[in-house]
Amino acid sequence: GENVEQHPSTLSVQEGDSAVIKCTYSDSASNYFPWYKQELGKGPQLIIDIRSNVGEKKDQRIAVTLNKTAKHFSLHITETQPEDSAVYFCAASSGTGNQFYFGTGTSLTVIP
Amino acid sequence: GAVVSQHPSRVICKSGTSVKIECRSLDFQATTMFWYRQFPKKSLMLMATSNEGSKATYEQGVEKDKFLINHASLTLSTLTVTSAHPEDSSFYICSARDARGQYFGAGTRLSVL
Repeated sequence: GENVEQHPSTLSVQEGDSAVIKCTYSDSASNYFPWYKQELGKGPQLIIDIRSNVGEKKDQRIAVTLNKTAKHFSLHITETQPEDSAVYFCAASSGTGNQFYFGTGTSLTVIP
Repeated sequence: GAVVSQHPSRVICKSGTSVKIECRSLDFQATTMFWYRQFPKKSLMLMATSNEGSKATYEQGVEKDKFLINHASLTLSTLTVTSAHPEDSSFYICSARDARGQYFGAGTRLSVL
């Protein structure tokens, strides 16, 4: 089955700096890679996703890159703000009907 | 769009009682619904996958008689924790999927005394 690894487990950055979270996956059949943000006591919220037919996707301060050959994808947050502080999960899936495999999460703290 | 409503958000119950958690997709029809359990500072652990009108598929190690799942319609799935015990205390999260993606409810904090 799929194995998704996520690093780092914790990350602290100064407000205004960039944050990068990386994930690797093992199943070459995976073709959909969402990122979720989870605030304390709440469910995960989809913040951005990428499909395997593109290498990069951007939405304002958030971007995701995908390297299919190396089987890794990354979340980039620029100009971080304190409200970006949360736990971020990556996931991989081989299709809309198939289950998601989640990374272990990254706790991001943005220091004002 | 893509709102998943989960109720209750928090429940406290006595050991031995059963608790039902509801999950609804409010503005879309979910082809599949999922139930996850999350321990403090841990990732989401998939418990079961359910399709409307079909029996749920449980992950290895998850007791189907303990965690009853009913997927009555394309917009509603329920998880019933039967004869709850303190070790069942956890954060339970449902998720609903359609062709666009997978969306999560806000979670239910279950505390069994």
